[in-house]
Amino acid sequence: GENVEQHPSTLSVQEGDSAVIKCTYSDSASNYFPWYKQELGKRPQLIIDIRSNVGEKKDQRIAVTLNKTAKHFSLHITETQPEDSAVYFCAALISSGSARQLTFGSGTQLTVLP
Amino acid sequence: KAGVTQTPRYLIKTRGQQVTLSCSPISGHRSVSWYQQTPGQGLQFLFEYFSETQRNKGNFPGRFSGRQFSNSRSEMNVSTLELGDSALYLCASSLGSGRDTQYFGPGTRLTVL
Repeated sequence: GENVEQHPSTLSVQEGDSAVIKCTYSDSASNYFPWYKQELGKRPQLIIDIRSNVGEKKDQRIAVTLNKTAKHFSLHITETQPEDSAVYFCAALISSGSARQLTFGSGTQLTVLP
Repeated sequence: KAGVTQTPRYLIKTRGQQVTLSCSPISGHRSVSWYQQTPGQGLQFLFEYFSETQRNKGNFPGRFSGRQFSNSRSEMNVSTLELGDSALYLCASSLGSGRDTQYFGPGTRLTVL
């Protein structure tokens, strides 16, 4: 079936450095791509999303880029801080029969080292 | 607005029992989706309800079922529990257009002994 692949599964960076997480998807009809951050013991929280009519979106230190031709999108975090440490999930709205559902990547454990 | 709430937050059951979990969406949201989160499988889609109708269903056995009430609150039920059903069950609510943001509840941690 249609799926979303996410890499890397773990990522360690020094405080102040940048972090990049990449996802690929298989459904060419996908048009909505959110990113969620989940801290230990807490619910996933939306941090940024992008729709297929734009190629890039920024919100302070966070940016997402989308390449529809290659069917991949990436999360960029600049000037990382210890509080950025969490699991990050990408997702894509994927066709499932006549319906559409959010399909999640397997997650990236980001650790920001002080 | 109040966020998505789920009850109970923790449950311990034994194999063979059944369980019902509840989710109250954000006021005005008509869609509720349910996910199972496990360390090995990540976030797996269970089903989505919109206006009291199941709009979509993931690849889970028939032991997993759900429903939605007229006030958009949703319940999911798991019958004949198995050890492998131990997981964090998350619900998420959205307005329901299909491309709008989903907001997650805190989850229900189910442990099957």
